[in-house]
Amino acid sequence: QPALTQPRSVSGSPGQSATISCTGTSGDVGGYNYVSWYQQHPGKAPKLIIYDVTKRPSGVPDRFSGSKSGNTASLTISGLQAEDEADYYCCSYAGNWVFGGGTKVTVL
Amino acid sequence: EVQVVESGGDLVQPGDSLRLSCAASGFTFTNCAMSWVRQAPGKGLEWVSTVTGSGRDTYYADFAKGRFSISRDNSKNTVYLQMNGLRAEDTAVYFCAKSAVGRLYFDYWGRGSLVTVSA
Repeated sequence: QPALTQPRSVSGSPGQSATISCTGTSGDVGGYNYVSWYQQHPGKAPKLIIYDVTKRPSGVPDRFSGSKSGNTASLTISGLQAEDEADYYCCSYAGNWVFGGGTKVTVL
Repeated sequence: EVQVVESGGDLVQPGDSLRLSCAASGFTFTNCAMSWVRQAPGKGLEWVSTVTGSGRDTYYADFAKGRFSISRDNSKNTVYLQMNGLRAEDTAVYFCAKSAVGRLYFDYWGRGSLVTVSA
């Protein structure tokens, strides 16, 4: 059972926005500003897209944004594009690292 | 260019041992913690273990304590994961991941090495 809870799937049409939630506890998401998000296309390595809750690595499009409120972090993809169709995982530092179960984003 | 390349995955029997290697290049290896994260077939990501840049400190998920051992050879820019007493539930792709200097996230990942534990 993953430590962090994510919806199994989210979908949207091209150009729409999609938001993925990641719910933990005060011992992980709520207690640290060390939430990161990873994008994984089938058969590929995960790719960092958000770190420290809200920061984007160089080269990641600004349509990806992160936020946090209490024990829930969120990833928003604004202006969905076909290439955004992938699995997305949240991760929180909690003395060690815990991941969410992953969310499949489908672009309709 | 940062590169992280895993090797050593294999088909083994329950109870066997296996050592994975992760060769890194393109960054100052000794400055960065390195980790192993696994993904069972059709499942999500699961953190396994982390070693600090010096190799002095190591951290393990509960399921890995006592069975897995992480180490690094900074002269070879290589990280290892020694896995003993393998079980069917250890079947997974094992990713090696680099952490940015002093940071608590994984900024570069390898493509993974498949470990299959089956009789």
